[in-house]
Amino acid sequence: AQSVTQLDSHVSVSEGTPVLLRCNYSSSYSPSLFWYVQHPNKGLQLLLKYTSAATLVKGINGFEAEFKKSETSFHLTKPSAHMSDAAEYFCVVSDRLMEYGNKLVFGAGTILRVKS
Amino acid sequence: NAGVTQTPKFQVLKTGQSMTLQCAQDMNHEYMSWYRQDPGMGLRLIHYSVGAGITDQGEVPNGYNVSRSTTEDFPLRLLSAAPSQTSVYFCASSPVGDGYTFGSGTRLTVV
Repeated sequence: AQSVTQLDSHVSVSEGTPVLLRCNYSSSYSPSLFWYVQHPNKGLQLLLKYTSAATLVKGINGFEAEFKKSETSFHLTKPSAHMSDAAEYFCVVSDRLMEYGNKLVFGAGTILRVKS
Repeated sequence: NAGVTQTPKFQVLKTGQSMTLQCAQDMNHEYMSWYRQDPGMGLRLIHYSVGAGITDQGEVPNGYNVSRSTTEDFPLRLLSAAPSQTSVYFCASSPVGDGYTFGSGTRLTVV
């Protein structure tokens, strides 16, 4: 069975400093991994995805994540936080077997606060 | 604009009432899913579909029905609303083996 653990429910950084949001996953098969962002009262937007190509994945708005199979981790980073990055971030794992319908399993979310 | 369209955006129901949340996508995606979002719990899968005529249960299916008569539409029916179904509901679609595109959500309150 798949599962996702986001290690921090809240992260607070100052504007201009690096962002690290931590995610560990468990999957019985070769997983696809995603990061989604949700701004207040908005829908979910795909930041980036890993689907077994390069292990370092670059996404939108300067975010990137590294797939580490040995550590079963997929941490999200950004070199310099911007006020507009304040939002809730979800780490998501998907089983790519068709019979599972590409089901997504979500972590509980990490709320990122950016201080000026 | 292409994407996933959910209606309504807001709804208040009385306990015991039924209703249908609509979801339509125009990207010809095979996979469609319904999720509910509750504070501190991320999103949980209610039902999903791998193509027209094929549906299956997710993690929290009780109290909900779905059907998929066309590729484009995937409505979610609440049979007899309960306060525990107060939540934000998201519909999403994806092509095979790729990430999901989410709708903007339906905020449902059951009183």
